[in-house]
Amino acid sequence: AQTIHQWPVAEIKAVGSPLSLGCTIKGKSSPNLYWYWQATGGTLQQLFYSITVGQVESVVQLNLSASRPKDDQFILSTEKLLLSHSGFYLCAWSHLRGNYAEQFFGPGTRLTVL
Amino acid sequence: AQSVTQPDARVTVSEGASLQLRCKYSYSATPYLFWYVQYPRQGLQLLLKYYSGDPVVQGVNGFEAEFSKSNSSFHLRKASVHWSDSAVYFCAVSIRTGNTRKLIFGLGTTLQVQP
Repeated sequence: AQTIHQWPVAEIKAVGSPLSLGCTIKGKSSPNLYWYWQATGGTLQQLFYSITVGQVESVVQLNLSASRPKDDQFILSTEKLLLSHSGFYLCAWSHLRGNYAEQFFGPGTRLTVL
Repeated sequence: AQSVTQPDARVTVSEGASLQLRCKYSYSATPYLFWYVQYPRQGLQLLLKYYSGDPVVQGVNGFEAEFSKSNSSFHLRKASVHWSDSAVYFCAVSIRTGNTRKLIFGLGTTLQVQP
């Protein structure tokens, strides 16, 4: 069975400080990977997706970047946090090929920027 | 433009009552539709999905949803709710974009089940 882990569970960071959030998928080779951002009480907004190692596509510009250094790992980062980066960050995966469209979500990381 | 509308931001029902959460989508091609549930401070869990075929699809924990092409809707139903069903429910449509697919989410409906 596939499992998806996100780290850390929660972060409290200062404005202007760097950030790195991680996501690992076990039990699934070559998944599509996604990063989402959810404002408190809000809906989900897709930030990035990746269909293979080393390739990441940006969906919205939020002064964030993403990388996929390994097949099972997806990293979200920024060198300088803004107050507007606060929220809940969710990683998700889906099957690479075929018409499987459902995405499976990790437990999320709650980020508070002060 | 593609979109998902959940007209009810909050729904309150009594335990044991029936439930319907509404969802309307806008997408010109064949839609793949989903309902997800989010419990407090957790990620999203897939409740059910519709790809094609029988317009009524069954999901986990007694939930079902009905697809209507004519109404562009995918409403979620449950015959008898339990207090543990209290959560936020998101409707989503999968659209093709480039060489992958993208989920477009509604704003969510917060369900509160009263004892």
